[in-house]
Amino acid sequence: NAGVMQNPRHLVRRRGQEARLRCSPMKGHSHVYWYRQLPEEGLKFMVYLQKENIIDESGMPKERFSAEFPKEGPSILRIQQVVRGDSAAYFCASSPPGSPLAKNIQYFGAGTRLSVL
Amino acid sequence: AQSVSQHNHHVILSEAASLELGCNYSYGGTVNLFWYVQYPGQHLQLLLKYFSGDPLVKGIKGFEAEFIKSKFSFNLRKPSVQWSDTAEYFCAVNEGGAGSYQLTFGKGTKLSVIP
Repeated sequence: NAGVMQNPRHLVRRRGQEARLRCSPMKGHSHVYWYRQLPEEGLKFMVYLQKENIIDESGMPKERFSAEFPKEGPSILRIQQVVRGDSAAYFCASSPPGSPLAKNIQYFGAGTRLSVL
Repeated sequence: AQSVSQHNHHVILSEAASLELGCNYSYGGTVNLFWYVQYPGQHLQLLLKYFSGDPLVKGIKGFEAEFIKSKFSFNLRKPSVQWSDTAEYFCAVNEGGAGSYQLTFGKGTKLSVIP
């Protein structure tokens, strides 16, 4: 059973370009979470999605960032017009459907390290 | 807002030494507590978790953690480390109760074990 798959593992962008980060949850999981780890910081919650729905985006920057989890395919975190301050590791996690307690246990990917030049 | 403090940024130990990594959190209500580990180049892996019950929690790979409510602490321990324990360790918290999903993480502690 494959774990949470994130790609690419490393992404280099110039200022003003777009970054697209992909996350395929574990098989059977329908809840996806994105976290960001800035240099020298802990992971911080960004957004929680279920299939075709954004449940909680309270941790997302108001501009330039968006996330989706379509009916088919991976979840995408999109950053438009990247700036140097977006350089960070972006982690995706997933949890299975079912009881609310299931959301407490999140399975993480290896992260995507975004470097903005 | 919750916060999580991990006291050590980088810990260096020789094999067979004992390990204790500190973790303190700020939230005053009921909490769920977690330790994750990230081995070089790999995903974040859950080591152990505490929801309720016995405050001494056993995890994988010989790790354990003790929840001390009065000290708002959840320290990670291992009696004898191995070279393969070299990794980064993250403490995380969310508000207790079913349906909590926003994890708050500490900054992580890098552990280097010297053979």
